[in-house]
Amino acid sequence: NAGVTQTPKFRILKIGQSMTLQCTQDMNHNYMYWYRQDPGMGLKLIYYSVGAGITDKGEVPNGYNVSRSTTEDFPLRLELAAPSQTSVYFCASSPQGSSYEQYFGPGTRLTVT
Amino acid sequence: QKEVEQNSGPLSVPEGAIASLNCTYSDRVSQSFFWYRQYSGKSPELIMSIYSNGDKEDGRFTAQLNKASQYVSLLIRDSQPSDSATYLCAVKRSSSNTGKLIFGQGTTLQVKP
Repeated sequence: NAGVTQTPKFRILKIGQSMTLQCTQDMNHNYMYWYRQDPGMGLKLIYYSVGAGITDKGEVPNGYNVSRSTTEDFPLRLELAAPSQTSVYFCASSPQGSSYEQYFGPGTRLTVT
Repeated sequence: QKEVEQNSGPLSVPEGAIASLNCTYSDRVSQSFFWYRQYSGKSPELIMSIYSNGDKEDGRFTAQLNKASQYVSLLIRDSQPSDSATYLCAVKRSSSNTGKLIFGQGTTLQVKP
């Protein structure tokens, strides 16, 4: 099992550009999440999904969009990148059920200049 | 009041000592609690989960939960320099059936040889 994989590892964007951060999990987890982590800060939830075709906003969704067409994939789309979106982005997944343990991907470090 | 609070540290302990990390939460009926370890530049890694009052031991790690006082702690016995990392406390809201976790900002632990 590869677990949760994310691509790319690093990316530099110019202001106004768009990009998609990819996230794939091979654990057949129903639940998936996108977080951002700013330096010295905790994790803030951007969007989450409880299954294919179902997504919902977290606490900081502005400037982002997601889709979930399959159980495995949960891409995060940045439209019109802004310097405030400079951060490290983590994707996570968890099985449905009572444990709710989340497993994280390696992250994408994004810089917007 | 933040939903999940941790002292940001750094907490400095000598090698071989016991490191004690604390976390308090505001949702009185939360039921699921997690400790994640995050090395600098890496993604969070789940190290402990605890769901009921009392202690849960796993190797050198012990998680302690006191729901009446609304705190959860992590003890690391025989601390090693390799334990130097940021430790994130996470709590699942009782009202959430989506697995969403609320993360504290983390406590940085430094283990000095």
